[in-house]
Amino acid sequence: DAGVTQSPTHLIKTRGQHVTLRCSPISGHKSVSWYQQVLGQGPQFIFQYYEKEERGRGNFPDRFSARQFPNYSSELNVNALLLGDSALYLCASSLAVWVAGAEAFFGQGTRLTVV
Amino acid sequence: GENVEQHPSTLSVQEGDSAVIKCTYSDSASNYFPWYKQELGKGPQLIIDIRSNVGEKKDQRIAVTLNKTAKHFSLHITETQPEDSAVYFCAAARSNDYKLSFGAGTTVTVRA
Repeated sequence: DAGVTQSPTHLIKTRGQHVTLRCSPISGHKSVSWYQQVLGQGPQFIFQYYEKEERGRGNFPDRFSARQFPNYSSELNVNALLLGDSALYLCASSLAVWVAGAEAFFGQGTRLTVV
Repeated sequence: GENVEQHPSTLSVQEGDSAVIKCTYSDSASNYFPWYKQELGKGPQLIIDIRSNVGEKKDQRIAVTLNKTAKHFSLHITETQPEDSAVYFCAAARSNDYKLSFGAGTTVTVRA
């Protein structure tokens, strides 16, 4: 079975540009979460979607937005990119809406570099 | 919100020795504590978790202990092997949380 797949794997953008990152969850998983992992730090929560509705939002500016599609795949959008947005963006999928309800499976991430 | 601190940031052990990573958390309502292993170029992978109604849990060479009174939990890896070299993250969450709060990570290097 395919795990969580993210695309692209690497991306280089210029300050001020916009970026869209994509995530396909494990088949049957209705929960998708996004995390930002800056080099040398632990992942920081950005969004969680369950059944196509936003269920949780972390402490990130409005430049960050996301959505979940009817097939449960998800997109993370970041506008007006800043150098500080350079990070590994991780997508996780799960069977449950609560993180304690079922194992969260992470994708390999998208490495975003803003220059 | 929850604040998770993790120590040490780096750990080098001789193959066959034990490795211990410690985490503290701030939210006394947290009751789910997973540990993740992240290898180079990969996303974090759950290796073991513990819930607040349990004080210790073992899975082969890996064990986790939880002290709710002191708000700290630890990961123990025995008989370390080169394939145990990776970055390990602890995390915490309440039972009705949407998110995991992660520690900063521990880079474990197992010397052959």
